[in-house]
Amino acid sequence: DMKVTQMPRYLIKRMGENVLLECGQDMSHETMYWYRQDPGLGLQLIYISYDVDSNSEGDIPKGYRVSRKKREHFSLILDSAKTNQTSVYFCASSLGTGTTNERLFFGHGTKLSVL
Amino acid sequence: QQQVRQSPQSLTVWEGETAILNCSYEDSTFDYFPWYHQFPGESPALLIAIRPVSNKKEDGRFTIFFNKREKKFSLHIADSQPGDSATYFCAASPNTGYQNFYFGKGTSLTVIP
Repeated sequence: DMKVTQMPRYLIKRMGENVLLECGQDMSHETMYWYRQDPGLGLQLIYISYDVDSNSEGDIPKGYRVSRKKREHFSLILDSAKTNQTSVYFCASSLGTGTTNERLFFGHGTKLSVL
Repeated sequence: QQQVRQSPQSLTVWEGETAILNCSYEDSTFDYFPWYHQFPGESPALLIAIRPVSNKKEDGRFTIFFNKREKKFSLHIADSQPGDSATYFCAASPNTGYQNFYFGKGTSLTVIP
């Protein structure tokens, strides 16, 4: 069963706290992504990972960092969370063959509230 | 800098009508154009996609029209149903070997019975 799993589904943190969002996939996909979704702004790419320890900044990386030590896991870390990081965060994966017809598989999202 | 522009932001149609959602892009290296839909509380899921070797792609009631010269593409939903009510995102990906996807801001579609 092809699946991208995100934990937790909901998270409430206070400003200044550290946040760890976890993502796993069971499809042996090479490429993994972190997006955030805000009303009216669509999906904005935070980071993309092409494989273990091979990560690149997306469009809005400031305030975030990522870790990928195993192909199936990709973590998003917020050091000292800010209220403007309140959002829904989606992890996604794709096969990563380099062909231009790939499909993104999304997790169910993590709704983060920073108070 | 918005790589992919999408309009309208919201669209309401009657059941049975054709809904038309529009997108445009600037980067000529883009060569894969998927549409994703997202139902409330759900994650985005791939609906249909096109590569510029074609100017039209059909899948049931869903059709993508692609105009390479004008760098525009659109999604037509024929015979719209209330169950089509969702947010639709267009996206584009360059032919650079790795899959960076740039999404539009989305169109919220409501189909009235």
